[in-house]
Amino acid sequence: DAGITQSPRHKVTETGTPVTLRCHQTENHRYMYWYRQDPGHGLRLIHYSYGVKDTDKGEVSDGYSVSRSKTEDFLLTLESATSSQTSVYFCAISESKDTQYFGPGTRLTVL
Amino acid sequence: AQSVTQLDSQVPVFEEAPVELRCNYSSSVSVYLFWYVQYPNQGLQLLLKYLSGSTLVESINGFEAEFNKSQTSFHLRKPSVHISDTAEYFCAVTSVSGAGSYQLTFGKGTKLSVIP
Repeated sequence: DAGITQSPRHKVTETGTPVTLRCHQTENHRYMYWYRQDPGHGLRLIHYSYGVKDTDKGEVSDGYSVSRSKTEDFLLTLESATSSQTSVYFCAISESKDTQYFGPGTRLTVL
Repeated sequence: AQSVTQLDSQVPVFEEAPVELRCNYSSSVSVYLFWYVQYPNQGLQLLLKYLSGSTLVESINGFEAEFNKSQTSFHLRKPSVHISDTAEYFCAVTSVSGAGSYQLTFGKGTKLSVIP
C-alpha cells in the first residue's frame, strides 16, 4: 500500500469553527488531491496540488482552502465549518495519470 | 469536460452467480478508465485500469472490464462472485492529454451485495 496517512481520522466540530485536515505521504509523489465522499454523489474533487505551493480548484472548492508547503504534506482547511461540510474526506496521491492512491479517509461531522 | 454514469446504484446478486456493473462515460478527448473498489469503512483501492492496448483488462481477483469506444462504456464483470466481493465499486475517467488533467472524475458508485 502507498504510504498515505490522514489525520485526524474522525472529528466532530461545531458550525463556525475552523478545521484543518492533514494528508501526509511518504512516496514523494508530485500530485496530491482532496476529495469528499457523500452518499449518492460518489467522490468529488475539492482541490488538488501539482507541486509545492502549486494548487488549483476542483469541482466543489467553495468553503475550502488548501496549502502545500512541503512535498509530503497537503492541508485542507475549512475556515468556518458548516453542516453541509459533514462528509468523509479522502486524500489521494499520484505521480502519473495511470493510478491515484487513496488514504484511509477522515470522517468529519459538523454539528 | 468529462462525466461518468454508473447505471445501477445497487446490485444484489447470489453467491457464485455472475455480475455486471455498468459504466458509461462522456468525453470529447481520449481517456483512461478505472474501476476502484471500496470495502466498508475503508479507502478506495484500484481494481483495474484501461490505458491503451487490449480493450479487455483483468484484475487479480477475477474481475474484468472491457473498453468499448463506440459505446463509450467500461462495464465491470465477474463470472462468479464471492461474499468477499461485497463492496462499493466506482468507475472513474481522466483525459489522456492536457495540462492539469490528472484529475479523476468519478461515477456515483454501485453497491454490490452478495447474498449467501
